[in-house]
Amino acid sequence: SQKIEQNSEALNIQEGKTATLTCNYTNYSPAYLQWYRQDPGRGPVFLLLIRENEKEKRKERLKVTFDTTLKQSLFHITASQPADSATYLCALENTGGFKTIFGAGTRLFVKA
Amino acid sequence: DVKVTQSSRYLVKRTGEKVFLECVQDMDHENMFWYRQDPGLGLRLIYFSYDVKMKEKGDIPEGYSVSREKKERFSLILESASTNQTSMYLCASSLSGSYQETQYFGPGTRLLVL
Repeated sequence: SQKIEQNSEALNIQEGKTATLTCNYTNYSPAYLQWYRQDPGRGPVFLLLIRENEKEKRKERLKVTFDTTLKQSLFHITASQPADSATYLCALENTGGFKTIFGAGTRLFVKA
Repeated sequence: DVKVTQSSRYLVKRTGEKVFLECVQDMDHENMFWYRQDPGLGLRLIYFSYDVKMKEKGDIPEGYSVSREKKERFSLILESASTNQTSMYLCASSLSGSYQETQYFGPGTRLLVL
């Protein structure tokens, strides 16, 4: 069956360190993958999109990698700040339709 | 900036009531979506619409219906609310007919069915 998995355990890191979040998928062949940020009680907000022919994408302190062989995407936040504390969702398109499939998200806590 | 608004942030309803959740987007987006979000399950697609008066079932349409009479407005209807429909409901929109477009989400409606 098709699955998209993110670590359900919260990630706790110290301010200034790099946070790395993982997204694994099975039985999909996505043409692209997206990462969203969600704050408590709010809707997700788009951060980055990476296509299957791109190995890496950067935006300010954010970096996303996409390994179609491993069926995995890694999301990095460098020089993390307490304001980066949120839940991060990965999402990929379901081939052949309009549907985007979301992971359950990983909660990140950055301690000052 | 794209703005997606939802009619209520919090709602409390009784079992058996008919519930209307409204979503409005102001950027002339073609696609609109309704999701529910439950702890540990992530976002699950209920219905989506790629044009006025068009609708497609998502993964969990049972117990729900939708209406899209105008391009900017997409309504989710719970015909007879049940306690297992207690959840966070999120509306989203995206620009064009291509499913590769980024989705813009509203703030969510937290619904409690008693």
